[in-house]
Amino acid sequence: AQSVSQHNHHVILSEAASLELGCNYSYGGTVNLFWYVQYPGQHLQLLLKYFSGDPLVKGIKGFEAEFIKSKFSFNLRKPSVQWSDTAEYFCAVNARGNNRLAFGKGNQVVVIP
Amino acid sequence: SAVISQKPSRDICQRGTSLTIQCQVDSQVTMMFWYRQQPGQSLTLIATANQGSEATYESGFVIDKFPISRPNLTFSTLTVSNMSPEDSSIYLCSVREDSLNTEAFFGQGTRLTVV
Repeated sequence: AQSVSQHNHHVILSEAASLELGCNYSYGGTVNLFWYVQYPGQHLQLLLKYFSGDPLVKGIKGFEAEFIKSKFSFNLRKPSVQWSDTAEYFCAVNARGNNRLAFGKGNQVVVIP
Repeated sequence: SAVISQKPSRDICQRGTSLTIQCQVDSQVTMMFWYRQQPGQSLTLIATANQGSEATYESGFVIDKFPISRPNLTFSTLTVSNMSPEDSSIYLCSVREDSLNTEAFFGQGTRLTVV
């Protein structure tokens, strides 16, 4: 079964700072990769996804993620955060052909104005 | 995309009682999933509920404790039975379209507190 690791559960940074959240998974086969975001009081929303093709994926709100197969990683980045990026971010993985998603523990990101 | 409505959005329940959570989707979907999100923890899959078949439970979850119904392609219920304080959590309904390489959509969750 696949598992997902996210480090630095709590991240505090100032507006305009750059953000990078790490995501590593353990599964040797082909995977689909996702980043979901949960803004305060709202439901989980898809930020971006990777299925195949260009390993650098661009998502909504200026976020991007890079799939590095050799490192089993799918790190999320944003060059300049805004106060509205305060949220919890979850990395998720499923093995290709298996629709059950495995989630990481999430990163609670707080952006200080 | 799919829009998912969950009811109730929150509840406070006495230990030993049961609560049924409803999940309504605005389109027909084959695959529905129930997750639990305990405080400070990740989302943990409870079971997969596909219409026309018995729910498939993940390790550590059993039908007697979390019975699930899936009467049609737009609706499902999860019951948390004989509740204890350890069941206090957010319960989430999720759907995926029945094809490869699709994303999952989530309801807003049901925040359950057992006292």
